[in-house]
Amino acid sequence: EAQLVESGGVLVQPGGSLRLSCAASEFTFSRYSMNWVRQAPGKGLEWVSYITSSSTTLFYAASVKGRFTISRDNAKNSLYLQMNGLRDEDTAVYYCARSVNWYFNLWGRGTLVTVSS
Amino acid sequence: DIVMTQSPDALAVPLGERATINCKSSQSVLNSSNNKNCLAWYQQKPGQPPKLLIYWASTRESGVPDRFSGSGSGTDFTLTISSLQAEDVAVYYCQQHYSTPLTFGGGTKVELK
Repeated sequence: EAQLVESGGVLVQPGGSLRLSCAASEFTFSRYSMNWVRQAPGKGLEWVSYITSSSTTLFYAASVKGRFTISRDNAKNSLYLQMNGLRDEDTAVYYCARSVNWYFNLWGRGTLVTVSS
Repeated sequence: DIVMTQSPDALAVPLGERATINCKSSQSVLNSSNNKNCLAWYQQKPGQPPKLLIYWASTRESGVPDRFSGSGSGTDFTLTISSLQAEDVAVYYCQQHYSTPLTFGGGTKVELK
């Protein structure tokens, strides 16, 4: 069964950096575009970033542009999110999500990032 | 950016009755290249990630019960649960998959009455 497993979420101070990872299994990772979507505690869903299968096209939400960087390693079946300049409002569960035609047909269980002093 | 507005914020429905959730986009999400509306619906239960129910406004994802249906076109869309079951208690989100930034509605919480 296809699966995504996120890791790397921790408590970090404002202004700090963090790298999230997402490990894919049981599907051909290199054929799919991938995304990060986040959900602040008790709030709704917010799309964060998108990367095409070959990393040729990247998109970011305005709220993270210039601070976050999405990347992938198809040889390792892995997706990453480098997060710099973290703010209180970045506190959320971060989900890795596979997309087809820009809808999300496979989600991981998420990893919690808490930004607090 | 396309703003997605869901209504109501919450609704309580008796077991076996119909639940209807509305979603409105601030501009048309009709893809002229394939004449399909780029609107998806997700279900999220507490402590779980979202689950895709519907895409292209009315195409049910594999394995989703047929009591879930999507309809609408242009800017106005509806998710209908024809006969609410206990396991359908969840928050439901719409999402436009027409253009970036990809955007979601605020969510509708469905409870049993």
